[in-house]
Amino acid sequence: DSGVTQTPKHLITATGQRVTLRCSPRSGDLSVYWYQQSLDQGLQFLIQYYNGEERAKGNILERFSAQQFPDLHSELNLSSLELGDSALYFCASSLRDSYTEAFFGQGTRLTVV
Amino acid sequence: AQTVTQSQPEMSVQEAETVTLSCTYDTSESDYYLFWYKQPPSRQMILVIRQEAYKQQNATENRFSVNFQKAAKSFSLKISDSQLGDAAMYFCAYRSAFAGGGADGLTFGKGTHLIIQP
Repeated sequence: DSGVTQTPKHLITATGQRVTLRCSPRSGDLSVYWYQQSLDQGLQFLIQYYNGEERAKGNILERFSAQQFPDLHSELNLSSLELGDSALYFCASSLRDSYTEAFFGQGTRLTVV
Repeated sequence: AQTVTQSQPEMSVQEAETVTLSCTYDTSESDYYLFWYKQPPSRQMILVIRQEAYKQQNATENRFSVNFQKAAKSFSLKISDSQLGDAAMYFCAYRSAFAGGGADGLTFGKGTHLIIQP
């Protein structure tokens, strides 16, 4: 168990809908990272938050957004969902924004039908 | 932008034998970190081993070791005495030591599916 908790584990929704994925980092970790894993694109970095502030952006679509709350949990919001958004979404956390090791959650499997 | 290439989509090894997974990367930076992550069927991403680019000594973690060739931009993973529990997808990953003060994410390869034959 990495200590990073993601909910829900599975999510099935229809095209055009909006969903929210939740991540609770390891106790004491200030940084949260979101990744998308799909068959087409592999594992891609989406976005990072550090202590409540956005720190870095990767290949995140404009339809996607995220935030980190004062209690350090993070949410990834996916809107206007398309079939191609079906993927495994991982959250990872680390102690600082400059890290050598990040701990991954078990992921949320999103299926868009 | 950095890229990570894993040229072996699938590898198979007999239990108790040794296998080497290949990884090459492309970067113009001098300082960075390299990682091998394991993803078993449970989907959990598990860190196997880490290498700092400024360290010449190859990292070792029990049965797992790396061959880091900085000039060749090569970072292979050797698994000794392979066990059934080693069966998984293995991902090589790169992270810059400089980008945004260390604030960028990992760049992953496409992965190698490792099969352990009993």
